[in-house]
Amino acid sequence: EVQLVESGGGLVQPGRSLKLSCAASGFTFSNYYMAWVRQAPKKGLEWVATISTSGSRTYYPDSVKGRFTISRDNAKSSLYLQMNSLKSEDTATYYCARPPYDYWGQGVMVTVSS
Amino acid sequence: DVVMTQTPPSLSVAIGQSVSISCKSSQSLVYSDGKTYLHWLLQSPGRSPKRLIYQVSNLGSGVPDRFSGTGSQKDFTLKISRVEAEDLGVYYCAQTTHFPYTFGAGTKLELK
Repeated sequence: EVQLVESGGGLVQPGRSLKLSCAASGFTFSNYYMAWVRQAPKKGLEWVATISTSGSRTYYPDSVKGRFTISRDNAKSSLYLQMNSLKSEDTATYYCARPPYDYWGQGVMVTVSS
Repeated sequence: DVVMTQTPPSLSVAIGQSVSISCKSSQSLVYSDGKTYLHWLLQSPGRSPKRLIYQVSNLGSGVPDRFSGTGSQKDFTLKISRVEAEDLGVYYCAQTTHFPYTFGAGTKLELK
């Protein structure tokens, strides 16, 4: 059974950093691109980042480019999202997902507030 | 960026009714490989999204065949035949043809 389990969320002040993790199981992690998608409270879905199987290619929307970094450790079947220079508008539930969106984690809440 | 326009924003239905949701993109979603990367997701209340349909018309694993997807280029439709209570929630279309990947704003399906 495919499972994606996120961790690392919490309350953080504006301008600070936070790193999210996603532990994958039930499939050959190294064979799949992976992604992060977020959802602000009571809002829709927003794609945040995608990473290739080897990690050599990464993709971001302008809203997070230069502040967020997606990475992976295939030996540990783990996906990461390093979030720097956080803003209040980054407040959201962050989901780890396997493209094209066939599996999702339960989500982890990130609140950026002073 | 590709803008995904979903209509209607909300639908009120009775169990057993059939409904359709429209999703229109601002650009063609046909990729250079000839495939169209348009997907449909359902987010039930308090849950993570679940993929229903991928590449326009392919049913996801375990998804009932009451769900069907059609369309091409820039115009797509999700049809739900014989709505059941478990179908309630917010439906999203999503494109993964062009970066940045984008989602529609969602269509909320509620009980009448």
